[in-house]
Amino acid sequence: NAGVMQNPRHLVRRRGQEARLRCSPMKGHSHVYWYRQLPEEGLKFMVYLQKENIIDESGMPKERFSAEFPKEGPSILRIQQVVRGDSAAYFCASSPPDRGHAIEAFFGQGTRLTVV
Amino acid sequence: AQSVSQHNHHVILSEAASLELGCNYSYGGTVNLFWYVQYPGQHLQLLLKYFSGDPLVKGIKGFEAEFIKSKFSFNLRKPSVQWSDTAEYFCAVKTGTYKYIFGTGTRLKVLA
Repeated sequence: NAGVMQNPRHLVRRRGQEARLRCSPMKGHSHVYWYRQLPEEGLKFMVYLQKENIIDESGMPKERFSAEFPKEGPSILRIQQVVRGDSAAYFCASSPPDRGHAIEAFFGQGTRLTVV
Repeated sequence: AQSVSQHNHHVILSEAASLELGCNYSYGGTVNLFWYVQYPGQHLQLLLKYFSGDPLVKGIKGFEAEFIKSKFSFNLRKPSVQWSDTAEYFCAVKTGTYKYIFGTGTRLKVLA
């Protein structure tokens, strides 16, 4: 699957540092989604972006978290001043422009963030 | 609140055993249903999906799932598992056009 690419695969940060997670969607996909999986939990929706626009950020924590999907380049999920509770797997997904019900999202391998 | 429940968190089976993983959802509207699999170190892969039509859906690698609307269930089945099926399995519901709600996952270990 030369599909959704996330990097890094593993990221270790000390408390108080910043974490930047990158996601390159599949070719031709202009919609990107970020999900977070905390230990022993299912994936939880965080944010939905289209190029240069945040469409739905209802799942994003109000502080320290931000996401962007610029016109050029990958989508970035940024976590400032990380805390231990941010340790999780962060998954990115992408889908093509058609927003019909029958459209499915394709997921990346995830970035596993560990805060020490 | 909308939710997806996977009742089996860990399942251990011997090769050739039959598999059934339960998935129940709570959502009153039209749903699209999915099963994803994540092999160790790999991305989430789609096993099968249901949008409409025949409630018995066949997916890749011999997996199938049955949508029972009256029970709000979408259980995953495979008649004979292989060692290579060892992975984590996620049931998901798509509400609206883009938002997925995932279950907590079931870790399947198949003993050779």
